[in-house]
Amino acid sequence: KQEVTQIPAALSVPEGENLVLNCSFTDSAIYNLQWFRQDPGKGLTSLLLIQSSQREQTSGRLNASLDKSSGRSTLYIAASQPGDSATYLCAVLPLEGAQKLVFGQGTRLTINP
Amino acid sequence: GAVVSQHPSWVICKSGTSVKIECRSLDFQATTMFWYRQFPKQSLMLMATSNEGSKATYEQGVEKDKFLINHASLTLSTLTVTSAHPEDSSFYICSASSPETQYFGPGTRLLVL
Repeated sequence: KQEVTQIPAALSVPEGENLVLNCSFTDSAIYNLQWFRQDPGKGLTSLLLIQSSQREQTSGRLNASLDKSSGRSTLYIAASQPGDSATYLCAVLPLEGAQKLVFGQGTRLTINP
Repeated sequence: GAVVSQHPSWVICKSGTSVKIECRSLDFQATTMFWYRQFPKQSLMLMATSNEGSKATYEQGVEKDKFLINHASLTLSTLTVTSAHPEDSSFYICSASSPETQYFGPGTRLLVL
């Protein structure tokens, strides 16, 4: 059974710092991995999607990497801003599983002005 | 990206009443939609997979007679919480599936008094 773990569960840093969020998964048989952002009381916003054949994806100040063989992904946020404060969720789409995403527990990020 | 809407965005009801939540894919057709619930400070928990034109498949531990799902068209799935009780209070999120990912709705907050 696929399991996804995110570390740390919560993170608080000063504005302007670069930071890394971690995601690990137990089964490398995945179709893709996706990072989402969730603001309090809101739905999910997709940030980056990495196909299993890809190593990384970039969007603005965000960079996500994928090491499928070791079951790890990182989300790098450069020059953090208070508006980046949110919960970040990592999810994998297993090769088998009827298109069901498997989510991590999330990392609650707070950027302090 | 594709847009998924949910209605209502929030609802307050008395214990024992039934509540219907709609999930619509606005600009694409989705043969599969998913329903999740999320408790405060927790990740998403998949409740069921809604399949157009057929019965929904429920995750273990989810009561199918309590959470009725109807997917009557390629753009609409509904979740009805029957005889709601305070413990059903939660944040319900739907998603519509494309071949590579899921597009999430903004969520519906349910409060049962």
